Amino acid sequence: QKEVEQDPGPLSVPEGAIVSLNCTYSNSAFQYFMWYRQYSRKGPELLMYTYSSGNKEDGRFTAQVDKSSKYISLFIRDSQPSDSATYLCAMGKAAGNKLTFGGGTRVLVKP
Amino acid sequence: DVKVTQSSRYLVKRTGEKVFLECVQDMDHENMFWYRQDPGLGLRLIYFSYDVKMKEKGDIPEGYSVSREKKERFSLILESASTNQTSMYLCASSLYGRTPNYGYTFGSGTRLTVV
Repeated sequence: QKEVEQDPGPLSVPEGAIVSLNCTYSNSAFQYFMWYRQYSRKGPELLMYTYSSGNKEDGRFTAQVDKSSKYISLFIRDSQPSDSATYLCAMGKAAGNKLTFGGGTRVLVKP
Repeated sequence: DVKVTQSSRYLVKRTGEKVFLECVQDMDHENMFWYRQDPGLGLRLIYFSYDVKMKEKGDIPEGYSVSREKKERFSLILESASTNQTSMYLCASSLYGRTPNYGYTFGSGTRLTVV
């Protein structure tokens, strides 16, 4: 079983809809949680970063972490065609700099 | 505004060749990483380095080696390329620290095909 599970999609939504993405994980040592966005033929770029449990909002993006359930989410409000990309969750432990990534969810926002 | 540069976007090599993938960062980051990305398997860590001349194995180091002679440069070496090493290779860097506070900055990737 993978340490981090993420539905590969694709997830297709109409423009303006809310996109809901999530990851589950098995290792309770993870303390740092991130979401990366990757456009086709590009490297991933950091979108959101959260430490421990709770919510974080940045513009149209909201990240949620529920450590008791080992579950993290990313919500994209008022989705745009430019949000079409693959979204990767990533997690890090309390010590050390390695990140463990989910497999990514491909999102398609249709105009 | 380029921060992490990978020397080649696309590369085609023959089975058995020795292959060098180069990565350079201009952000003075201590940590550098090599991942490969495959459909259905996500990103898997090959090797990483916390300092010059220092290296540590990741989750899938077999068939690979690395070199870090200068802080800004981290090279991935495929000793004898095989078809199962056909993949997208991503280099990343991050600031030093005991915790991944700052996330990674990734390069654009090198798509390697071994024939």
